[in-house]
Amino acid sequence: DTTVKQNPRYKLARVGKPVNLICSQTMNHDTMYWYQKKPNQAPKLLLFYYDKILNREADTFEKFQSSRPNNSFCSLYIGSAGLEYSAMYLCASSSGGALEQYFGPGTRLTVL
Amino acid sequence: GEQVEQRPPHLSVREGDSAVITCTYTDPNSYYFFWYKQEPGASLQLLMKVFSSTEINEGQGFTVLLNKKDKRLSLNLTAAHPGDSAAYFCAVRTNSAGNKLTFGIGTRVLVRP
Repeated sequence: DTTVKQNPRYKLARVGKPVNLICSQTMNHDTMYWYQKKPNQAPKLLLFYYDKILNREADTFEKFQSSRPNNSFCSLYIGSAGLEYSAMYLCASSSGGALEQYFGPGTRLTVL
Repeated sequence: GEQVEQRPPHLSVREGDSAVITCTYTDPNSYYFFWYKQEPGASLQLLMKVFSSTEINEGQGFTVLLNKKDKRLSLNLTAAHPGDSAAYFCAVRTNSAGNKLTFGIGTRVLVRP
């Protein structure tokens, strides 16, 4: 089973409120990724966990947090949502020895 | 850092015709290349991965060509059918970028009967 699951599929948030998105995979992959995708733009890597080590992209370092309580789960946390956070958030996972990433269906976040 | 340009952003083809999507990239250290397909409401699904300097890979109903000299990757949908209607994304993996994937903007393909 190469399934990556994301919850919720749709999320409505108010400006200034926190947002927590969840991703899970049961493939025992050591790396989990979060991407942000806006309409007519390429998916943009925000951060990834390799095992327990978090790597955040330099230009989004301050905006997103993440946690990985165990190998299967990874969350994406926004402390104070702004309108610019409205986007599709894609979670992916990969195994260290493999190159391809397996993607979840995404969570569509709308900030009002 | 790596930049990937994907064209065209939209493509409408008649059933049975072929369609070509092209990505160009900038980093000569890029070494793995991927095509993903995303049907409406579904996850990105890996179509094919290629690595060699010049490679032609054939899948079910499509051909992928990599030309490292020109830094160009292309996906050719041969004899398009309605099931090919989807968004297609190229992705490039660069050693110098911490092995992360850099995606193209995507191409929305519509196959008309």
